Amino acid sequence: GESVGLHLPTLSVQEGDNSIINCAYSNSASDYFIWYKQESGKGPQFIIDIRSNMDKRQGQRVTVLLNKTVKHLSLQIAATQPGDSAVYFCAEKESARQLTFGSGTQLTVLP
Amino acid sequence: DGGITQSPKYLFRKEGQNVTLSCEQNLNHDAMYWYRQDPGQGLRLIYYSQIVNDFQKGDIAEGYSVSREKKESFPLTVTSAQKNPTAFYLCASSRDSSLYEQYFGPGTRLTVT
Repeated sequence: GESVGLHLPTLSVQEGDNSIINCAYSNSASDYFIWYKQESGKGPQFIIDIRSNMDKRQGQRVTVLLNKTVKHLSLQIAATQPGDSAVYFCAEKESARQLTFGSGTQLTVLP
Repeated sequence: DGGITQSPKYLFRKEGQNVTLSCEQNLNHDAMYWYRQDPGQGLRLIYYSQIVNDFQKGDIAEGYSVSREKKESFPLTVTSAQKNPTAFYLCASSRDSSLYEQYFGPGTRLTVT
């Protein structure tokens, strides 16, 4: 999962396998969560979001799960492809405040 | 093509010089943001603007300044007062500040020596 610091957590998966990237958030008042993908040297790209009144949301090949009891968010990527290799960030937001980003997880897809 | 542009992609400056990073969007978004990213870390908010002619400090505003004279443009000046300016700077926008999804530009890598 994500953590603060200079060394990114890493996840390596075989091409075609499913990936699960975890994120622990800190603010129990956060009501919106978002996942971004960032390729090296580029800006983050939106993947999927979820509001606190939901516990699961699905997109194309991706699913986000939210467990508010333990303040945990996960991103599942089905049939991981080489193009999925990137750093994945979660971000949380409490309604009156701005987005707070985690430090990211480096996903590497092995051939 | 709609989107956010940042220029230049790489910028080099000598210590003690102010430098301005450009951010332009043609998405007709009201809100714009500047973030700083250091190696192995997440994004930290420098400044944000919810509407033209208005902006607020983020978590790490010291040593930076912004202006928002036009809806499309939100330039960031890194001043000589910023103690550690070398970083990757990202600009983002959202349709308005009540909508949370932010769209990011490609970033500017600033190196100060």
